[in-house]
This record gives sequence, structure tokens and C-alpha cells, in this order.
Amino acid sequence: AQSVTQPDIHITVSEGASLELRCNYSYGATPYLFWYVQSPGQGLQLLLKYFSGDTLVQGIKGFEAEFKRSQSSFNLRKPSVHWSDAAEYFCAVGVYNTDKLIFGTGTRLQVFP
Amino acid sequence: NAGVMQNPRHLVRRRGQEARLRCSPMKGHSHVYWYRQLPEEGLKFMVYLQKENIIDESGMPKERFSAEFPKEGPSILRIQQVVRGDSAAYFCASSPSPGADTQYFGPGTRLTVL
Repeated sequence: AQSVTQPDIHITVSEGASLELRCNYSYGATPYLFWYVQSPGQGLQLLLKYFSGDTLVQGIKGFEAEFKRSQSSFNLRKPSVHWSDAAEYFCAVGVYNTDKLIFGTGTRLQVFP
Repeated sequence: NAGVMQNPRHLVRRRGQEARLRCSPMKGHSHVYWYRQLPEEGLKFMVYLQKENIIDESGMPKERFSAEFPKEGPSILRIQQVVRGDSAAYFCASSPSPGADTQYFGPGTRLTVL
């Protein structure tokens, strides 16, 4: 069965530091992969997505993610974090030929000044 | 173009009451998806609807839960005889076409069952 694992429940970084949020997936074929961000009391905003092609994907707000098939990973990165990046981040897999997104449990990011 | 709208944003019900959650998709979108987020968990797919049709309800609990997306008006997720375990955030997403690549999410309805 398809699944998504985000091993870090909570991460704290200083403003200006680099960031990497981990995501591992279980899926039989090449998945559609997504990263969403959820600010408190808000809905989910799509940061970036991977369907095929270049394994390094650029998204909004300076985020990028790299698809590594050999590691079944799709980690999210940002070179320099801003205080406004504090939020919850969800990795998701889109199951081909269905309409479902399967989400990880999320990583809560806290940013200190 | 307004985004996906959900109301109410917060809903409090007592055990045994009914909860009705509404979702208005983005303009031009005829595909609606409902997800539930239990405390400390990720979002879980519940149901996928097109206008007047339920396409996939594999994530819906078998009892007390129903969903509709009429020809006119918003999509409705209905929970009858709510229990404390129904307390969660319910998110709606819409897309202009089938597929998981274009889902736009609303702000969610946070249901609290007392």
C-alpha cells in the first residue's frame, strides 16, 4: 500500500539557517510527489510538485525538493529560512490514475530570530 | 478568482447532533475532494465527487457520513449523530479536471464534538 513518512515531527531552526525536511514514500511505480505548507488556521498551499523529468524541483518561496528514486525520498530544502516560514509542512503522494493524495503526518517548523 | 471556500470555519456540536460542512469550489472547478485531519495526523482522503456524482468514497466511514455535490450550490459533507472521535479538521479541495496534480485546498472546517 502507498504511504508517506515524515520522520521529523518538529524542527526548530534559527532564521537564516538552512533547512531540510525529510519525506520518504512507499509506492510501486514513479509517484507524483507534492509538498504543501499549512500556516495556523489556514488551508494547504502547494509549494512544489514532481511528476517526471528533472529530479530537482523548484517551488515558491525559495523552496526546492529533490526526488531520489533509490532512496524513495523527496526532501524539501531551503538555503536560508525566514521567520515567516514557520508553519506545518506536509509531503504527499498522488496515486497515478486516481484522485487521491496520501499525506504524511507533517513536520512543524519553528523559526527562532 | 476566489479560492476554495469552506464554512463554517469552526463548528461545535454535542454528541448525537448532526454536522453539515459546506465547500464552494473555485470558479470553473467541477471536482471536489474531502479530506479529514485528525489531531496529530496527516490528511486522509474521504471522498471525491463531481457534480451530482460520487466518484470515489473509499475513504468515507461506512456509517453516519455522507457527501453530495449538487448541480447548484456547494458540496456538503454531512455527519449524523456525531461522536467525540469525529472531532477533526475537514478540508475540501477542488480541481478543474480529474487527477491529483491540480487540487486547491480550502481553509478547512474545524469540528469539535463535546
